[in-house]
Amino acid sequence: DQQVKQNSPSLSVQEGRISILNCDYTNSMFDYFLWYKKYPAEGPTFLISISSIKDKNEDGRFTVFLNKSAKHLSLHIVPSQPGDSAVYFCAANSRADKLIFGTGTRLQVFP
Amino acid sequence: DAGVIQSPRHEVTEMGQEVTLRCKPISGHDYLFWYRQTMMRGLELLIYFNNNVPIDDSGMPEDRFSAKMPNASFSTLKIQPSEPRDSAVYFCASAGVGETQYFGPGTRLLVL
Repeated sequence: DQQVKQNSPSLSVQEGRISILNCDYTNSMFDYFLWYKKYPAEGPTFLISISSIKDKNEDGRFTVFLNKSAKHLSLHIVPSQPGDSAVYFCAANSRADKLIFGTGTRLQVFP
Repeated sequence: DAGVIQSPRHEVTEMGQEVTLRCKPISGHDYLFWYRQTMMRGLELLIYFNNNVPIDDSGMPEDRFSAKMPNASFSTLKIQPSEPRDSAVYFCASAGVGETQYFGPGTRLLVL
């Protein structure tokens, strides 16, 4: 039973446009959400996070939005760059130490 | 700091053989995590340790899997006997208290 779901396995976006990656969760006890980015042959690296007391967190070109009533969060990348091409994992937790990850979305940014 | 170190980076073995994956966490981190990545299930947490003590092993698929952390700088994940369905990328990650997790480069395991 997937508690964190990323229903789009892949996404293709033109350079300079906005990339929107989506994530849904089922456990209302989750109170902290993260996005990780993974390049081929490397481990995931932390990108951005949001606490459940907020609905938006922004860091440069990256913004995460949280809709608690819909149990949905999204990652916006604008403008998208070819270097953003990677697999993006959504993660959530209800404890300080244990994360539940989604299945990932492969983003391809083309020129 | 060299980050989280995993070895080997690639492992090819035959069904029934024992496989041992190794991890050296970032110095000073209190938590160590073992994950498995597959296309169908994404990143699954197998087990994690706090101060070398296993806290939650509910993600370990079955008794063929075992993990140890004999000291703060070393952990192993062992599969015995290995099966083709164990083929995946295995990641180790470490974290300080209240900090985000840092992942190693992973071990790509292929069981024939």
